[in-house]
Amino acid sequence: SQQGEEDPQALSIQEGENATMNCSYKTSINNLQWYRQNSGRGLVHLILIRSNEREKHSGRLRVTLDTSKKSSSLLITASRAADTASYFCATDLTGFQKLVFGTGTRLLVSP
Amino acid sequence: EAQVTQNPRYLITVTGKKLTVTCSQNMNHEYMSWYRQDPGLGLRQIYYSMNVEVTDKGDVPEGYKVSRKEKRNFPLILESPSPNQTSLYFCASSFRRQTDTQYFGPGTRLTVL
Repeated sequence: SQQGEEDPQALSIQEGENATMNCSYKTSINNLQWYRQNSGRGLVHLILIRSNEREKHSGRLRVTLDTSKKSSSLLITASRAADTASYFCATDLTGFQKLVFGTGTRLLVSP
Repeated sequence: EAQVTQNPRYLITVTGKKLTVTCSQNMNHEYMSWYRQDPGLGLRQIYYSMNVEVTDKGDVPEGYKVSRKEKRNFPLILESPSPNQTSLYFCASSFRRQTDTQYFGPGTRLTVL
């Protein structure tokens, strides 16, 4: 499969804790994007990191990219109940001109 | 407000009854696409369009049709729906290419009995 593989499939934490989810892929990429999906709703773009970047921040989000390990991580700091959602990575695979979505990590943040 | 709209949001129909799910974007995006989302299978692309009158098959096009007569609209047509097309459908648009940031509609939950 060309999909990015998210890990873990599901994550349950308390409010205030940090949440880390990972994405691994198999071939070289131009960029990698993270999206959030609230239950049954459309995906919302969170952040894009290019292959020549190692880390990006956006508010409480921190994304890292390790192209040597073909992996990315999304860290949500000081999580809130409103962060409860599924999180997907999407890889722009070099040579495919296509965005391939993974199967997602389901995050549950309890008050 | 920049957005992608889909209608209807929920639809229950019977096998063989033709239906159309509409999609419209107000961002003047060139690229539009349709996905279906099924448990354990993630998002799979059905059809996409690079611009007006330019459409092409995605990964799972069987049983679906699309058209792109206007830049803002990209309807999904199921000529003869079957139960295996029961799914959550999303329309998405982006500035020019699929690999640009995708803007998703709210989804259409379709049940085919």
